[in-house]
Amino acid sequence: DTGVSQDPRHKITKRGQNVTFRCDPISEHNRLYWYRQTLGQGPEFLTYFQNEAQLEKSRLLSDRFSAERPKGSFSTLEIQRTEQGDSAMYLCASTYGRGEKLFFGSGTQLSVL
Amino acid sequence: AQSVTQLDSQVPVFEEAPVELRCNYSSSVSVYLFWYVQYPNQGLQLLLKYLSGSTLVKGINGFEAEFNKSQTSFHLRKPSVHISDTAEYFCAVSDPGTASKLTFGTGTRLQVTL
Repeated sequence: DTGVSQDPRHKITKRGQNVTFRCDPISEHNRLYWYRQTLGQGPEFLTYFQNEAQLEKSRLLSDRFSAERPKGSFSTLEIQRTEQGDSAMYLCASTYGRGEKLFFGSGTQLSVL
Repeated sequence: AQSVTQLDSQVPVFEEAPVELRCNYSSSVSVYLFWYVQYPNQGLQLLLKYLSGSTLVKGINGFEAEFNKSQTSFHLRKPSVHISDTAEYFCAVSDPGTASKLTFGTGTRLQVTL
């Protein structure tokens, strides 16, 4: 069990630029989740995949956000035309079975200048 | 819709003292309840969970929590804390049908000092 890994750990970008984050879940986990955490708040659900199918998206996920999980393995989260309000920690988590325990990565900290 | 309230944003405590971190939830349906811990520069880790059955659940690192349906609470306790317990603690709730889709509280910073 090598854990959930996220890349990059930190990303600084200018407003209007596109950014992409990657998440590698634990290998046998079929469900993958993206959460967003802002300073002083708990993580908020963004979207989740079961294998390669994206089953649910939060209303927080505007049209500028897109996520993929090709072949049910790693996942990417892309933010187009970034805004300062997108600055946050983006967390990835994975699980299996009934999904009663999430395994979280260390997150990608996005700063939009 | 579900929601979680963590009443204390920070809890300072001396080492070896007991601690209770409070969590209240609101939901119109049955729930699963969780406590996660976040150490600096690390991902969140599951401390314990309540799914059904006994209302007193024990977790890792000597923590326990009690589910109280009438008070809609799930307070976290430890009888004697250690410096290494300094971290951010998050209470979370989910619908049993979507166990991993969690609604988190805003967190409680536990600061343990000598």
